[in-house]
Amino acid sequence: GQQLNQSPQSMFIQEGEDVSMNCTSSSIFNTWLWYKQDPGEGPVLLIALYKAGELTSNGRLTAQFGITRKDSFLNISASIPSDVGIYFCAGQGNNDMRFGAGTRLTVKP
Amino acid sequence: KAGVTQTPRYLIKTRGQQVTLSCSPISGHRSVSWYQQTPGQGLQFLFEYFSETQRNKGNFPGRFSGRQFSNSRSEMNVSTLELGDSALYLCASSLTASYNEQFFGPGTRLTVL
Repeated sequence: GQQLNQSPQSMFIQEGEDVSMNCTSSSIFNTWLWYKQDPGEGPVLLIALYKAGELTSNGRLTAQFGITRKDSFLNISASIPSDVGIYFCAGQGNNDMRFGAGTRLTVKP
Repeated sequence: KAGVTQTPRYLIKTRGQQVTLSCSPISGHRSVSWYQQTPGQGLQFLFEYFSETQRNKGNFPGRFSGRQFSNSRSEMNVSTLELGDSALYLCASSLTASYNEQFFGPGTRLTVL
């Protein structure tokens, strides 16, 4: 389906730094999902958000479902080398699932 | 619990041939969706199956087809392959047809020569 607006496209950070990425859409979604994809593998679900305003954490990851239901962000705190990969947001509407183009994260030790 | 499995993992075909890819969802999951991932277009939705019925279809030509069996396993078929069909084909399963918490398989890397 039509892609969501995900930014930034790529990030180069030092180990230990915090990271923030976000997705926006012109459409309202019922669910926001964040995935991480390693090279040659399928995306792995990190966090699922079901309610506007919801803030959910999974270890060093925190994500929020925007109040307008048209956006979401993902934060990674104290990054480590294994955080390297491509992070995708996905928005689920009534009958479709749309993905962001991905944020490529590089972590320098 | 075993994850989503896809076979084969890698495939090389030539233009004009056809290909069939297989996906076994997580046990108990009844919905299977297929996606095409390319560097230029990102993740694009192909179709979704639930209880052996196609519920939704993305904007792909009729050369792309799929089906789901009674055990929820799914196959997708691409006929008359074109160079542009080279991509990673991902299958994702979820408990119901509402897309919530889709879990992806490792994908099948198709190369068309």
